[in-house]
Amino acid sequence: TQLLEQSPQFLSIQEGENLTVYCNSSSVFSSLQWYRQEPGEGPVLLVTVVTGGEVKKLKRLTFQFGDARKDSSLHITAAQPGDTGLYLCAGWVQTGANNLFFGTGTRLTVIP
Amino acid sequence: GAGVSQTPSNKVTEKGKYVELRCDPISGHTALYWYRQSLGQGPEFLIYFQGTGAADDSGLPNDRFFAVRPEGSVSTLKIQRTERGDSAVYLCASSFGLYTEAFFGQGTRLTVV
Repeated sequence: TQLLEQSPQFLSIQEGENLTVYCNSSSVFSSLQWYRQEPGEGPVLLVTVVTGGEVKKLKRLTFQFGDARKDSSLHITAAQPGDTGLYLCAGWVQTGANNLFFGTGTRLTVIP
Repeated sequence: GAGVSQTPSNKVTEKGKYVELRCDPISGHTALYWYRQSLGQGPEFLIYFQGTGAADDSGLPNDRFFAVRPEGSVSTLKIQRTERGDSAVYLCASSFGLYTEAFFGQGTRLTVV
């Protein structure tokens, strides 16, 4: 059983379209992170959200942390081919395990 | 170097052999993590070190897997009697501690034939 479920698992869109990726859990997280990973590379951190309801923007990317700190979303506006990659959410569980849990991943392909 | 370094980048081994994977974390980072990633999936937690000690090894799949970090810096992941199912990319990450940004290495692609 995965602690963090992402949807969709695969997403293929045309350049210029908008998209949203979801990350859901039944657990409460003290903070949640979004990473992007390209083939042959390790994940690279995009953003960390800490406060329930927090919204952060990074150019065309908007990240939101759910009020209950159990879920998050990543919205990309006007997607570009350079956005292609594997998007991963990851979170620190509020109590218990001392490690960073990763989601199942969303593989995004932006077609020129 | 400035980032997390993992060696080798690729390792092909025969079923039943022993392998060691090395991770050089960012200098000053006390926390070190090992993950295993299958193609197209999210990283799966294996073990977390705080300093020299394994603070959480609950992700190690069985007793064939073992990891050490004797001086609180470099870590080695050791896999005995490798099986084809062990084939994956093994990722290492380091950070200043819990709840801080984790920086990943490029990974070691292990193939067991």
